[in-house]
Amino acid sequence: QQQVKQSPQSLIVQKGGISIINCAYENTAFDYFPWYQQFPGKGPALLIAIRPDVSEKKEGRFTISFNKSAKQFSLHIMDSQPGDSATYFCAASRDYGQNFVFGPGTRLSVLP
Amino acid sequence: ETGVTQTPRHLVMGMTNKKSLKCEQHLGHNAMYWYKQSAKKPLELMFVYNFKEQTENNSVPSRFSPECPNSSHLFLHLHTLQPEDSALYLCASSQGYRMNTEAFFGQGTRLTVV
Repeated sequence: QQQVKQSPQSLIVQKGGISIINCAYENTAFDYFPWYQQFPGKGPALLIAIRPDVSEKKEGRFTISFNKSAKQFSLHIMDSQPGDSATYFCAASRDYGQNFVFGPGTRLSVLP
Repeated sequence: ETGVTQTPRHLVMGMTNKKSLKCEQHLGHNAMYWYKQSAKKPLELMFVYNFKEQTENNSVPSRFSPECPNSSHLFLHLHTLQPEDSALYLCASSQGYRMNTEAFFGQGTRLTVV
């Protein structure tokens, strides 16, 4: 119930392409779904987050799509750039909870 | 810089050593966390402190001992570690009890147990 599944484990995309990372959860009590980006040697940093009252959130080239009934959410990176090469973690938490549950991560490589 | 600073950045220790990891945040947050990040594994929550009180211990072995003297500082005391404890240890902080706000991570301490 606490697990967040994430796929794919790794992803290679050409520059200018679309990167798509998918996550799924079981616990319907989760109500906050952030995505974190982690570069080598750095800690994860918040990229974008969504709450289940909306189905999509867009910030620049990054979009979260959320499907509450399917308990799935995904990150789309449009016009992917080599600088986007990093590990991406989806996560879920619930209001008044104190624990983010993280997915296992997706290593994205954007080829120049 | 995220406002969360961890020291040291790298640490090599023997199995009989005692060492401490330090985390400091200047964000005015009330909640602080220790996470363990191992290769090919999800981020694992270890401990949570809220207003200096430990509110969660995620079944962490007693060879890891946290300390939170105030809302700005968090320590992780290490003793008699095992090689499988080698990992990146991340500290994070957030505003308070409502966890569904952004968590800010430090850059981590890369720990190697030999």
